[in-house]
Amino acid sequence: QKEVEQDPGPLSVPEGAIVSLNCTYSNSAFQYFMWYRQYSRKGPELLMYTYSSGNKEDGRFTAQVDKSSKYISLFIRDSQPSDSATYLCAMSVQGGSEKLVFGKGTKLTVNP
Amino acid sequence: NAGVTQTPKFQVLKTGQSMTLQCAQDMNHNSMYWYRQDPGMGLRLIYYSASEGTTDKGEVPNGYNVSRLNKREFSLRLESAAPSQTSVYFCASSYRAGGPYNEQFFGPGTRLTVL
Repeated sequence: QKEVEQDPGPLSVPEGAIVSLNCTYSNSAFQYFMWYRQYSRKGPELLMYTYSSGNKEDGRFTAQVDKSSKYISLFIRDSQPSDSATYLCAMSVQGGSEKLVFGKGTKLTVNP
Repeated sequence: NAGVTQTPKFQVLKTGQSMTLQCAQDMNHNSMYWYRQDPGMGLRLIYYSASEGTTDKGEVPNGYNVSRLNKREFSLRLESAAPSQTSVYFCASSYRAGGPYNEQFFGPGTRLTVL
């Protein structure tokens, strides 16, 4: 079992839809959770950063962590064509020099 | 504040040629990373430098070498390029390697083709 699993999609939705992107993980020591957005032919950019369980909201984006289920989600409300990108989850343990573990990414297309 | 910069943006090599990819960051970060990204494979860590003066192998180090020149710069060298090294290469940096403050910031990438 891979440490981080992410459905590659592709996911296609109409403009204005609510999008749910998800990752599951196996390492219960993960404490820090991130979502990156990567536009085509660009580098990944950090979108959301959360610590431990709970929700974090930033505009149309909400990151949710459920440590009991080892499951994290990114919700996008009122999706826009400009949200079309690949979304990667990433996570790491507390302290030490443990590096980020990335999911392989989910490709999202928002159709006008 | 440029963030993470990479040069060159594009490169075409012949099998057996060598080249160095350059990366620099101006965020006063301690840790720097080199990844390659291939379709269906996601981001794979090649080498990283947790702090100035240290480097360590990642998931796919074979065929590559790195140099942490100073706190700002981290270069990746291909000594004898092979077609299997055709990929998009990303440099990233973070304040530290482990959590907290370990979120990584990425450069724009170098597209490398080896013929």
